[in-house]
Amino acid sequence: ETGVTQTPRHLVMGMTNKKSLKCEQHLGHNAMYWYKQSAKKPLELMFVYSLEERVENNSVPSRFSPECPNSSHLFLHLHTLQPEDSALYLCASSQDNQITQYFGPGTRLTVL
Amino acid sequence: RKEVEQDPGPFNVPEGATVAFNCTYSNSASQSFFWYRQDCRKEPKLLMSVYSSGNEDGRFTAQLNRASQYISLLIRDSKLSDSATYLCVVRTLSSGSARQLTFGSGTQLTVLP
Repeated sequence: ETGVTQTPRHLVMGMTNKKSLKCEQHLGHNAMYWYKQSAKKPLELMFVYSLEERVENNSVPSRFSPECPNSSHLFLHLHTLQPEDSALYLCASSQDNQITQYFGPGTRLTVL
Repeated sequence: RKEVEQDPGPFNVPEGATVAFNCTYSNSASQSFFWYRQDCRKEPKLLMSVYSSGNEDGRFTAQLNRASQYISLLIRDSKLSDSATYLCVVRTLSSGSARQLTFGSGTQLTVLP
């Protein structure tokens, strides 16, 4: 299944590094999302991008910076992360008139 | 109080058993309800939507009780391949994104041979 792809699949970084996560959707959808999934916690919506809106979860620290150059691509830029940011970062997409979100395989991030 | 609350489990059941998961949600303005399934180290995938009248998809039956703000998922004749974490998901039209979904922490199911 290659509807939503994410790279890299695994990432280990130090607290002073800068890295970016990439998501690409091949479904023709017009909305994309970043979620964070920590162990034993529910998925937490970080950002939503669509033609009509960009929504941010106000609790997301500024060390996470999203970028959506077009409807098929979504990036999450990371800088000066903390060990507690270690988690699975999931990208999802959906189409305007449908509620169902399709998820990518995720990037498992470890911050040392 | 969590917006979407689930019993985390784990539920360990023998093959062929019937198992039920429950979920409660706190926002009475919630409009759409779903069950997603997440296999170990994989992404969540939509299992089924939940409708007010209740709905069935093969061995899976979902029920919604708006008055009690309660959602359930029943799995009959459990298979080994049903082993996964089941996520209760709610959509509420709020001041945030109209597309925003709120996820429960999930209920872990292991079906034993």
